[in-house]
Amino acid sequence: EIVLTQSPGTLSLSPGERATLSCRASQSVSSSYLAWYQQKPGQAPRLLIYGASSRATGIPDRFSGSGSGTDFTLTISRLEPEDFAMYYCQQCGSSPPHWTFGQGTKVEIK
Amino acid sequence: EVQLVQSGAEVKKPGATVKISCKVVGHTFTDYYMHWVQQAPGKGPEWMGRVNPEDGETIYAAKFQGRVTITADTSTHTGYMELSILRSEDTAVYYCATEVGTTFDPWGQGTLVTVSS
Repeated sequence: EIVLTQSPGTLSLSPGERATLSCRASQSVSSSYLAWYQQKPGQAPRLLIYGASSRATGIPDRFSGSGSGTDFTLTISRLEPEDFAMYYCQQCGSSPPHWTFGQGTKVEIK
Repeated sequence: EVQLVQSGAEVKKPGATVKISCKVVGHTFTDYYMHWVQQAPGKGPEWMGRVNPEDGETIYAAKFQGRVTITADTSTHTGYMELSILRSEDTAVYYCATEVGTTFDPWGQGTLVTVSS
């Protein structure tokens, strides 16, 4: 089973700054199967990015995803107050189909 | 707009069984797989399994195999997740979610299950 490791655990930044979140897989992952979610306290996760770099419907263009193989990145170009939250990466594996999540990165206000 | 509406919070004793429901509104129930995800307090989400509402076929995560049963009722457009032999470590919020491509979108609002003697 592929393990996803996210770093850093916590990112302390100010509104307007750039956030760079990392997701590293224990073995190569198809870019098509790598996604990012945002979760705020008391809410369900929300899909942000699918296929490593495609924004989900309604997601602002300050969110972008990149990467391939074992290293993937979520970038928030200029943090807005509503962006302070937890972020999780997720991958879908095969044989048999299964899904795994990273442990998350918390983006907090500095 | 697609919505997944889950049943309310549950309190169970160790060793008991819990069954949570997830009603789908706004899309054809049999068109999309339904997944279930566990999220323990302060932890990341953990995938439990999925059902194909069209034929009832299921796959489960190894961690939950043998204790979890996921079903779908096409007459009421509702999915169910039953978890048995509950222990304190099963205290968590449980989410249902629709699979689109290989991602989960949207999610239900979550159901808190507390396991306590």
